[in-house]
Amino acid sequence: KQEVTQIPAALSVPEGENLVLNCSFTDSAIYNLQWFRQDPGKGLTSLLLIQSSQREQTSGRLNASLDKSSGRSTLYIAASQPGDSATYLCAVLPNAGGTSYGKLTFGQGTILTVHP
Amino acid sequence: EPEVTQTPSHQVTQMGQEVILRCVPISNHLYFYWYRQILGQKVEFLVSFYNNEISEKSEIFDDQFSVERPDGSNFTLKIRSTKLEDSAMYFCAGRPRVINSPLHFGNGTRLTVT
Repeated sequence: KQEVTQIPAALSVPEGENLVLNCSFTDSAIYNLQWFRQDPGKGLTSLLLIQSSQREQTSGRLNASLDKSSGRSTLYIAASQPGDSATYLCAVLPNAGGTSYGKLTFGQGTILTVHP
Repeated sequence: EPEVTQTPSHQVTQMGQEVILRCVPISNHLYFYWYRQILGQKVEFLVSFYNNEISEKSEIFDDQFSVERPDGSNFTLKIRSTKLEDSAMYFCAGRPRVINSPLHFGNGTRLTVT
């Protein structure tokens, strides 16, 4: 059974710092990995999706890397801003075939606080 | 940008009552999902729905749960007889045909069972 773990559980940094969030998964047979942002009381906003054949994806100040063989992904946030404060979730999609391709397994998230 | 819309945002119900949570997916989406998040816990998959039938469901999705897309627009999750442990945030999600498209989630319905 796939298990996804995120470290650290919480992170507090001053504005302007570069930071790294970590995600690990136990079963390397994944189709893709997604990073989401969740604001309090809100839904999940997709930030980046990395296919299993890719090593990294970039969007603005965000860069996600994937090392499938070691079961790890990192989300790098450059020049953090107070507006980046949120919970960041990673989720993996299994490479198990089937028609749904939507049964994501989530980590517990990293709560990020960026203070001015 | 198109959004997944969920109603209501908060539902309070008494144990044993039936509830229906509603979702309006993005128009070009073909695959639909329900997830839930119990307070302080991970987001969990409940069910996937494609071509008007369930394609996959988790162990959580027992006989008390059902889904349907009655009018080709709304996508609903029904809980027949709610229990205290059903209290959670319920998220609807969808994606288009392309497998490597990210899932788009709604803002969720907070269900409180008293």
